[in-house]
Amino acid sequence: GAVVSQHPSRVICKSGTSVKIECRSLDFQATTMFWYRQFPKQSLMLMATSNEGSKATYEQGVEKDKFLINHASLTLSTLTVTSAHPEDSSFYICSARFPSGGTDTQYFGPGTRLTVL
Amino acid sequence: AQKVTQAQTEISVVEKEDVTLDCVYETRDTTYYLFWYKQPPSGELVFLIRRNSFDEQNEISGRYSWNFQKSTSSFNFTITASQVVDSAVYFCALSETMDTGRRALTFGSGTRLQVQP
Repeated sequence: GAVVSQHPSRVICKSGTSVKIECRSLDFQATTMFWYRQFPKQSLMLMATSNEGSKATYEQGVEKDKFLINHASLTLSTLTVTSAHPEDSSFYICSARFPSGGTDTQYFGPGTRLTVL
Repeated sequence: AQKVTQAQTEISVVEKEDVTLDCVYETRDTTYYLFWYKQPPSGELVFLIRRNSFDEQNEISGRYSWNFQKSTSSFNFTITASQVVDSAVYFCALSETMDTGRRALTFGSGTRLQVQP
């Protein structure tokens, strides 16, 4: 299957700092990438849809200024958690939509575990 | 509104037993896709299957099989002769058109499967 990478896999930071997470599609071009958040033992919740060359679409309740998304190329989307606080600690997962035939198939990165002290 | 229900929070079986994971969905779309993903303890989501709403044929892939019943809005997943390596959280997901006009995935709450040796 298609490969999506995420970096870093784990990050620990102090409250008030900003953290950038990268999501790359390694063997295909993705015009659309997605960012999800997963709390322990819970399901994935869609945060935003990242579109190459345009602004991201955020889900209700997700602060645009808090979670900055940039989709600078067809293989890279970044999520920046600005002024992180302990309540932002979570598992962040990106996915990239495979571009063939409108099948809506998304391939997921390995996730980034963020811990804010 | 879109909704995916996985009523089984946790299932525990002994190796070699068969196990069925249930998934029931709601959607207003006539065209949609259903997915199953596996999330092992490492956290990475592994794509298992995609089924479109017009294809009600059951599918078998090795020890895995899927039963799509449009009449009952269900898309159940069966593992035959389970193995310890099958232990993971399994998510059912629905891709459909959201209120904003874009397509996105809605995940069920997941079923944690534990296969005991």
